[in-house]
Order: sequence, then structure tokens, then C-alpha cells
Amino acid sequence: EIVLTQSPGTLSLSPGETATLSCRASQSFGANYLAWYQQKAGQAPRLLIYGASSRATGIPDRFSGSGSGTDFTLTISRLEPEDFAVYYCQQYGSSPRAFGQGTKVEIK
Amino acid sequence: QVHLQQSGPGLVKPSQTLSLTCAISGDSVSSNNGAWNWIRQSPSRGLEWLGRTYYRSKWYNDYAVSVKSRITINPDTSKNQLSLQLTSVTPEDTAVYYCAREAARHYYYYGLDVWGQGTTVTVSS
Repeated sequence: EIVLTQSPGTLSLSPGETATLSCRASQSFGANYLAWYQQKAGQAPRLLIYGASSRATGIPDRFSGSGSGTDFTLTISRLEPEDFAVYYCQQYGSSPRAFGQGTKVEIK
Repeated sequence: QVHLQQSGPGLVKPSQTLSLTCAISGDSVSSNNGAWNWIRQSPSRGLEWLGRTYYRSKWYNDYAVSVKSRITINPDTSKNQLSLQLTSVTPEDTAVYYCAREAARHYYYYGLDVWGQGTTVTVSS
């Protein structure tokens, strides 16, 4: 069973700054099937990135994903007010699937 | 456009069975692409993947180790929906439950791209 560890737990930034979020897996999994989700209070998670680096439909290009193997990164450039939320990574390359515990991006 | 509509009780007594339904529109539960998942979220456990069902010439299921002995996910092809049953619930099963589609095309998977609205389930007497 793969465990995903996200860091940091909370990121305090100002609008316009860049957020760098990390997701580390306990072992590698198939085809870099790593996704990132954004979740706002009271809403279901929204898919941002799939396959470690591909943006989902309608996601602005200030969101980018990178990494392979066991180390992955989500970068949010030029933070907009609507980007302050909780972000989760998920591996879907092996079963059982797994989520990280989340990183909260908050306004400084 | 794919839409998932969840239904089911918001309150379940301890030791009883939690049952939820996820009605699918705009796609088919029997599609050879993708898979249909249940996920839950609680403050203590975060987002927790529970399991999935999918069709590849026959039906398959995967379940999380933590609930494997208590969970059943079934497709209902006549109603184009999937169901979740979780037996012998305890207060630890109190959570928001989501269904979600894991999209795929030509054997490439795209993550959980469509989610239901979520159902808050409380386990309490």
C-alpha cells in the first residue's frame, strides 16, 4: 500500500506570489499516475493535474505539475485570491489508490 | 456533460449498514473506459479512497484495506448507477461520502475528473 506525504502542511503566501507544494510517495507507481486536486470549503475536490504534469480541462496555466518516480511538485504561479484552498495529491497508478493529507494554501 | 447525483440517508445507527447511491448521467457505468469510485472525507482521516468498480468485459472491484471486510460497491446497469454498502458502521465511519469517475480513454487514465455533490453521513444512535 502506497503512502503519500505532502509538505508543508500549511503555506502562508500573498496574492501574486508562487506556491510550491510537495508530494512524496513511499514507493513508485505506474505511469506517473499522480493527480492534484483543489478543494474549497463545502465543495468536492476539483481535478487540476493528471499524469503528474497535464492540466485538466479549464485549468489555468498558472497551475503546473512536475516530478516522477516518488517525488512530485505542484507549482501555482502568481497566486490569485481564488487559489487559496487545500490541495491534495493522489496516486492512481496502483491499487489501492491513495491521497496525501493535504496542503493548505492560506493568505498571509 | 457527465453528472453524478448522490442519494441516501444522512444518519445511520451504529452496527447498521450505510447505503448510498450515485446516479450517473452523461456516461455509462458499464463503459469500458474508466472506473467508478467511492471516497470519503473526515477531519480525522482526510480524504480516504474506499474502492471502485469497473467493467472490462467483466466486472471488477478494488477496495481499500481499511474497509475491505465491510464494503461492497455494486453497479446497477438498469438504472445506470452505482451503490456503496458499508456494514457494521461505527462513529469512525462518520464522514462526507463522494462518488467520482476515474476517467480513461484508450487505456490512459486521467484521475478523478467528475465528483458527486457529497453526502454527509453521521453514525449515531
